[in-house]
Amino acid sequence: DGGITQSPKYLFRKEGQNVTLSCEQNLNHDAMYWYRQDPGQGLRLIYYSQIVNDFQKGDIAEGYSVSREKKESFPLTVTSAQKNPTAFYLCASSMSGRPSYEQYFGPGTRLTVT
Amino acid sequence: RKEVEQDPGPFNVPEGATVAFNCTYSNSASQSFFWYRQDCRKEPKLLMSVYSSGNEDGRFTAQLNRASQYISLLIRDSKLSDSATYLCVVNKVDSSYKLIFGSGTRLLVRP
Repeated sequence: DGGITQSPKYLFRKEGQNVTLSCEQNLNHDAMYWYRQDPGQGLRLIYYSQIVNDFQKGDIAEGYSVSREKKESFPLTVTSAQKNPTAFYLCASSMSGRPSYEQYFGPGTRLTVT
Repeated sequence: RKEVEQDPGPFNVPEGATVAFNCTYSNSASQSFFWYRQDCRKEPKLLMSVYSSGNEDGRFTAQLNRASQYISLLIRDSKLSDSATYLCVVNKVDSSYKLIFGSGTRLLVRP
């Protein structure tokens, strides 16, 4: 059964700690994306990757880091430098990095930092 | 001006009603358009792509008006299960890989 998985579903951390969110896909998609969603707002792009071992900053990359060592995996680290890390984090993938290709989302991770 | 603008709603309609949402986009060079549906506290799910000629999928019809730079979504014979937030999505013209998501229009279908 193909799809995108994110874990954990809920994550709680203390301020000052780094935390890594997992994203795995078995759709054989080339491109993967990380978004953040805050209440009442649209999705904002954090990082994206078109191919293994390559990734680009999105619109709000400060305080985040990623890696793309395998086609299937695109983990996101929320560092202590991120000022307002509490949010709903969504991972997506698409066939390739073309705008005509739809993006498909994982179930998301709700991160709460106190 | 926002790159993608939607009326946040909520649109509160009775079951069986027809409801339409519009979404405006700022860059006339945009080429790809989508409607996604997002249920409360869930991930967005692709509802349909929007083609220049318009497209229909069951009770859902999407239209593109390039001259006025808006896309629309029409839902006929609304069901309770249609209650959700509908996100308008447009590609970012300065990059082939980015999509811009509107903040969404909330639909509530009442019995």
